[in-house]
Amino acid sequence: GAVVSQHPSWVICKSGTSVKIECRSLDFQATTMFWYRQFPKQSLMLMATSNEGSKATYEQGVEKDKFLINHASLTLSTLTVTSAHPEDSSFYICSARDPGASGNQPQHFGDGTRLSIL
Amino acid sequence: GQNIDQPTEMTATEGAIVQINCTYQTSGFNGLFWYQQHAGEAPTFLSYNVLDGLEEKGRFSSFLSRSKGYSYLLLKELQMKDSASYLCAVKDSNYQLIWGAGTKLIIKP
Repeated sequence: GAVVSQHPSWVICKSGTSVKIECRSLDFQATTMFWYRQFPKQSLMLMATSNEGSKATYEQGVEKDKFLINHASLTLSTLTVTSAHPEDSSFYICSARDPGASGNQPQHFGDGTRLSIL
Repeated sequence: GQNIDQPTEMTATEGAIVQINCTYQTSGFNGLFWYQQHAGEAPTFLSYNVLDGLEEKGRFSSFLSRSKGYSYLLLKELQMKDSASYLCAVKDSNYQLIWGAGTKLIIKP
């Protein structure tokens, strides 16, 4: 089945550091990838939709200059949290849509990245 | 606005049956999904309903009533490993997934 790989799985860093998270589709070409953030005991919140070869579409309230998204190839999207602060600490999850998949499984999820900013 | 409601937390006993309800109000409907999410992990797909009725898959079943904007996930023969959050998500008219807040299911021996 379709696999999405997300790396790293866990990051601990100092305030002010920029952190890059990678999301790769391993056995399919993902024209669209999604980035979510999830705070403890809360639902998944869509941050942005990443489209290969074009600018990402950000959800309302998400700072595009702080959360940089690059989808330069059909198998890789990256999310860079710039100048991270403790309030950015969260669980970040990516997912990818396989254009060839049937409608009953629209997105394949990566394993998530737990980001802790000290 | 778009809204998906499900209970915050439920408790059930190992070996029993539990039903997790989900009601939704969305702009359009193109399918409803149930995902399981263990703590600290990404969601994993459980089921998909687009037509009214019951879909059965092993110990898990999912029901949909589009006219009522209602779905439930039924878990039978509960096992300790079923302790997780269960997320209801609806694909709206733009084919975007709208997520519920999830129901934390606690299984007791």
